[in-house]
Amino acid sequence: DAGVIQSPRHEVTEMGQEVTLRCKPISGHNSLFWYRQTMMRGLELLIYFNNNVPIDDSGMPEDRFSAKMPNASFSTLKIQPSEPRDSAVYFCASSPGQGDQPQHFGDGTRLSIL
Amino acid sequence: AQTVTQSQPEMSVQEAETVTLSCTYDTSESDYYLFWYKQPPSRQMILVIRQEAYKQQNATENRFSVNFQKAAKSFSLKISDSQLGDAAMYFCALMDSSYKLIFGSGTRLLVRP
Repeated sequence: DAGVIQSPRHEVTEMGQEVTLRCKPISGHNSLFWYRQTMMRGLELLIYFNNNVPIDDSGMPEDRFSAKMPNASFSTLKIQPSEPRDSAVYFCASSPGQGDQPQHFGDGTRLSIL
Repeated sequence: AQTVTQSQPEMSVQEAETVTLSCTYDTSESDYYLFWYKQPPSRQMILVIRQEAYKQQNATENRFSVNFQKAAKSFSLKISDSQLGDAAMYFCALMDSSYKLIFGSGTRLLVRP
């Protein structure tokens, strides 16, 4: 079975550019999560969706960040305009959203904003 | 607010020995789940073990086991017969009824050959 697929694996771009991170959850999973990992703040939940609907976006740091889930098999996290402090590893995870079913993580996107 | 605390930034163990990683948490919910995730240098987040709060029996997965003390809100991970491949960051996580994961700050495990 394919796991959670994220692209790109690495992204290097200049400050001010728009960045789009992509995620394909595991088929059949109805919950999708976006996390950010930095040395200073560790793993933080940015936003999560249930059945394609955003449930909690309280972790989204600023209006520069936006996330969408147009269908059950695809989600994007967009940063516009990007800033150097956005540099981090961004993880997408999905789960069946039931009981003790754990979240399955993608391999992450390492984002570097110059 | 729910919190997860890992007080050991780094631990070291001799290959084939046993090591215990500590985790404490705080939650007002009665129904929740606890997890340990491993993050090797490849940065993948790999599920190691999970525990349902309503189960008194400690979870075990091969060389990995937990000591779950619900009253003390403690959830430690024991790794037996440590192997070089166990070297990684280990994260303790709490999942509440919203299915959100709250992570601790992590413990870096070094395995000495």
